[in-house]
Amino acid sequence: DAGITQSPRHKVTETGTPVTLRCHQTENHRYMYWYRQDPGHGLRLIHYSYGVKDTDKGEVSDGYSVSRSKTEDFLLTLESATSSQTSVYFCAISEEQGSNEAFFGQGTRLTVV
Amino acid sequence: LAKTTQPISMDSYEGQEVNITCSHNNIATNDYITWYQQFPSQGPRFIIQGYKTKVTNEVASLFIPADRKSSTLSLPRVSLSDTAVYYCLVVLYSGSARQLTFGSGTQLTVLP
Repeated sequence: DAGITQSPRHKVTETGTPVTLRCHQTENHRYMYWYRQDPGHGLRLIHYSYGVKDTDKGEVSDGYSVSRSKTEDFLLTLESATSSQTSVYFCAISEEQGSNEAFFGQGTRLTVV
Repeated sequence: LAKTTQPISMDSYEGQEVNITCSHNNIATNDYITWYQQFPSQGPRFIIQGYKTKVTNEVASLFIPADRKSSTLSLPRVSLSDTAVYYCLVVLYSGSARQLTFGSGTQLTVLP
């Protein structure tokens, strides 16, 4: 399996609190992604990164911010969590050229109460 | 932007060949077509990708017609363990970056 680790794996938090999810890779891949998955919606892209300090928004970026200060770490922050952000969050990594093969982490189940 | 459309669900029986078709009418010249598989409580797993004609690996085959507006994932002789959600995906480019955008997927249920 690709070296990708998400932390925490499970988290329960209260509405209005900040939350940071971490994605760590040991593959030195350029691209990193954050997705959320909800019943009936498949995977939806939140933000992605194409290099250190290079990030861009995906289709559901409102309420989320990201940072990538080094190649191996991609952080997803919910500045003020809401119940609508209760979801399973997946991080993924991929190489730059020649393949759309992305490797996914095991996911983080976040519950906002 | 290239968007994919695939059936929401399909049922099959063990030992049968399963074909899942995806349409992507606005696929761009440089886009590749990629399929992923996802089991419950796991992240998606890459199965196969192709640009045109036919690609085969140890898991599946991918058929792409000349106009590339659709593709068909073929799973030979499925087993119960092939029950999963299958996603068709095309790559969306934004400047120098790459987005990997998933559709809603097809829930394949293999029955005994």
